[in-house]
Amino acid sequence: NAGVMQNPRHLVRRRGQEARLRCSPMKGHSHVYWYRQLPEEGLKFMVYLQKENIIDESGMPKERFSAEFPKEGPSILRIQQVVRGDSAAYFCASSPTGLGGPQHFGDGTRLSIL
Amino acid sequence: QQQVKQSPQSLIVQKGGISIINCAYENTAFDYFPWYQQFPGKGPALLIAIRPDVSEKKEGRFTISFNKSAKQFSLHIMDSQPGDSATYFCAASADTGTASKLTFGTGTRLQVTL
Repeated sequence: NAGVMQNPRHLVRRRGQEARLRCSPMKGHSHVYWYRQLPEEGLKFMVYLQKENIIDESGMPKERFSAEFPKEGPSILRIQQVVRGDSAAYFCASSPTGLGGPQHFGDGTRLSIL
Repeated sequence: QQQVKQSPQSLIVQKGGISIINCAYENTAFDYFPWYQQFPGKGPALLIAIRPDVSEKKEGRFTISFNKSAKQFSLHIMDSQPGDSATYFCAASADTGTASKLTFGTGTRLQVTL
């Protein structure tokens, strides 16, 4: 499967726990974007990364959320001390360039907070 | 200024009919306008995209019409089929590295009836 791979597909956490969401971009893609989708809403941009660099994190909440895209391995979106409002679908997209071209999405991680 | 407004919120079309979804934007820096199709439990899939140097783009049964002066663009689905029943999102981005994040509309839930 050459598409964008996200795991886990479903994640359940209790309030106060940490959530780690992983994204492996398409082969040859070095640009990764994270979006969040609340029920019945469109996707909202969170963060844009290239290998080892955060390019734009203007959509990330100031606290508890962080993202990385290391030289080796998948991109990670980390949510510390989760709260009920963090329940959402989190999607990763990848692109071969960062110049407004096509972004290809994974099937997302559905995060539920008990 | 970053919003993309999408209408209608939901649409019911008979099989064989034409489905039309409209979007409007404010940010004149936007220069890439994709449409995505999303099925329940799946990530958005890129359908068709347009840049403002053309007024129309057609791929199979899907056509984007673009009106730069009005800052509006629309998706037409010809000969709509039950398999087209999904949620459709318009989006926009600017062709600069740090601004290539996608701004999404709120989505249109299309139902094609027999």
